[in-house]
Amino acid sequence: AQKITQTQPGMFVQEKEAVTLDCTYDTSDPSYGLFWYKQPSSGEMIFLIYQGSYDQQNATEGRYSLNFQKARKSANLVISASQLGDSAMYFCALMDSSYKLIFGSGTRLLVRP
Amino acid sequence: GAVVSQHPSRVICKSGTSVKIECRSLDFQATTMFWYRQFPKQSLMLMATSNEGSKATYEQGVEKDKFLINHASLTLSTLTVTSAHPEDSSFYICSARVGSPNQPQHFGDGTRLSIL
Repeated sequence: AQKITQTQPGMFVQEKEAVTLDCTYDTSDPSYGLFWYKQPSSGEMIFLIYQGSYDQQNATEGRYSLNFQKARKSANLVISASQLGDSAMYFCALMDSSYKLIFGSGTRLLVRP
Repeated sequence: GAVVSQHPSRVICKSGTSVKIECRSLDFQATTMFWYRQFPKQSLMLMATSNEGSKATYEQGVEKDKFLINHASLTLSTLTVTSAHPEDSSFYICSARVGSPNQPQHFGDGTRLSIL
């Protein structure tokens, strides 16, 4: 069965510092995708970054990068130069051959000024 | 691009009322939309996959007669919570996929439903 795990319920980071949010997954499908979404307190889900299982390079999108370690089944999100507006819930999600998204339990990030 | 609009954003109503939530893809056609439910401080749980022109596919444990889904056009899916009760109070959020199945889902802003 597919499973996605976020072990950090909450994280603090100082403004302008980098932070890593952990995500591990389990799937038997050889082809899958990993997504990170941000959910501010207002509730909307904002797509941040995507990594395909066959992608050779780690995905990057601006200040977001994905540390994809396939053998360890981890897909950690790295946010560089944190900003106050980065404070939010962050969800890791797995998409397998069913094309459904399975979400992790989320990590609440608080950026300190 | 890839804007998904969800309406209403907030509903407060009496027990026994049926509530309809709309999910629209504004600048693209979505053959597939998804409906999720999120309880406070919890993750998103997929309720059903809505396919244009056909019946929705419900996840295990989701009552199809309670949560009616209609996807009558390529830009609109609706979720109707029938005869809502306080335990149906939750945050409901829809998403739509642009292009091929492995592309990101784009989400609406969600609907906060409170049943008194």
